[in-house]
Amino acid sequence: GAVVSQHPSWVICKSGTSVKIECRSLDFQATTMFWYRQFPKQSLMLMATSNEGSKATYEQGVEKDKFLINHASLTLSTLTVTSAHPEDSSFYICSASPGSPYEQYFGPGTRLTVT
Amino acid sequence: DQQVKQNSPSLSVQEGRISILNCDYTNSMFDYFLWYKKYPAEGPTFLISISSIKDKNEDGRFTVFLNKSAKHLSLHIVPSQPGDSAVYFCAASAKVTDKLIFGTGTRLQVFP
Repeated sequence: GAVVSQHPSWVICKSGTSVKIECRSLDFQATTMFWYRQFPKQSLMLMATSNEGSKATYEQGVEKDKFLINHASLTLSTLTVTSAHPEDSSFYICSASPGSPYEQYFGPGTRLTVT
Repeated sequence: DQQVKQNSPSLSVQEGRISILNCDYTNSMFDYFLWYKKYPAEGPTFLISISSIKDKNEDGRFTVFLNKSAKHLSLHIVPSQPGDSAVYFCAASAKVTDKLIFGTGTRLQVFP
């Protein structure tokens, strides 16, 4: 149980285009979903926290207009990287929680490369 | 400002021996700590956790020790197995923030 999927697993896009990443909790309802990014050999950095049906809460330094997060249902959250630039290239990981933030189940991640 | 630090980027251990991974934190408000294991191109998977009211938690081959006065926790794996080879992240959380703060990870390699 507690499986979280992400799609796509990797994507290459051109600079200036937008990319959407989906995060789904497959066998439980996620009241909260988290989006992280990880640069090579660095920690997972929390970008934003989203609760179903409400606006996401972004961490300091994360541009909410650039990283659009939608959490339309209890099993789906999406992250859209708008007007992507090469510096947005990173590994994006989502996690889903059925309740407590201590109980997070992570997706397999999405490798984004912006050329 | 890195609130959770794993100062050893890598660790190599022989199969059957003990692996000790260390983690230090700076925020005294942290009251819950977790260890995750991560394989390349995969998301982290939960291993073991400990509340600040305890100083030890054990689950099979995995034991986590917490030293609040030193703001230090460690993960012991014994005996180590080749399948344990992965990157291990410690994470900390405070009730007031409800967020997980991750360390930078330690790559563990267990060789035969």
